[in-house]
Amino acid sequence: QVQLQQWGAGLLKPSETLSLSCGVSGGSFSDYYWSWIRQPPGKGLEWIGEINHFGSTYYNASLKSRVTISIDTSKNHISLRLSSVTAADTAVYFCARGHGVGAVISSPFEYWGQGTLVTVSS
Amino acid sequence: DVQLTQSPSAMSASVGDRVTITCRASQDISNYLVWFQQQPGRVPKRLIYAASTLQSGVPSRFSGSGSGTEFTLTISSLQPEDFATYYCLQHNTYPPTFGGGTKVEIK
Repeated sequence: QVQLQQWGAGLLKPSETLSLSCGVSGGSFSDYYWSWIRQPPGKGLEWIGEINHFGSTYYNASLKSRVTISIDTSKNHISLRLSSVTAADTAVYFCARGHGVGAVISSPFEYWGQGTLVTVSS
Repeated sequence: DVQLTQSPSAMSASVGDRVTITCRASQDISNYLVWFQQQPGRVPKRLIYAASTLQSGVPSRFSGSGSGTEFTLTISSLQPEDFATYYCLQHNTYPPTFGGGTKVEIK
């Protein structure tokens, strides 16, 4: 069974950098893209970006200038960094398994991490 | 970006009701459409993928249909555990985008 476990700081001050990680167990780490998604309190979902085991990334243009997603294939985990945070970045952040890489046919977002509430407040 | 418009944004229904939620895409997304259910404070749960394929373990009262720009999620007989918010997602075009959600409340 595929499991995603998140960790990282939950309280930041404006202008600081958000840093979260997500460890993957079960299944094939290298056959999929791995995404970050966020959800402000009481609002809808927003895709942040994704990475595959080659380190190829795609970012949402709305956040691209501030986002870095990285991968550690030796530990089967991915990381999210979001710089210069403001109150508007307060949200629950999720990691999730995306679509398959190459010939791997798989519809995305079947598996999710537990979510991490990140609050930005002075 | 592809815009997904869900309707209604909220609704009240009773146990046993048939419920239909619509998701309209701003451009053709073929069948790259996923439906999620989210309970308050919980992780989104995938119900339907490829527009009409039922996720393993999801009750058969849930069904999805549509292709191109018009999609529907139907719950044939609403159960107490189905009161939640439902989201559609398209992954035909980057970036993947979500609909605004439909909150199904108890009448």
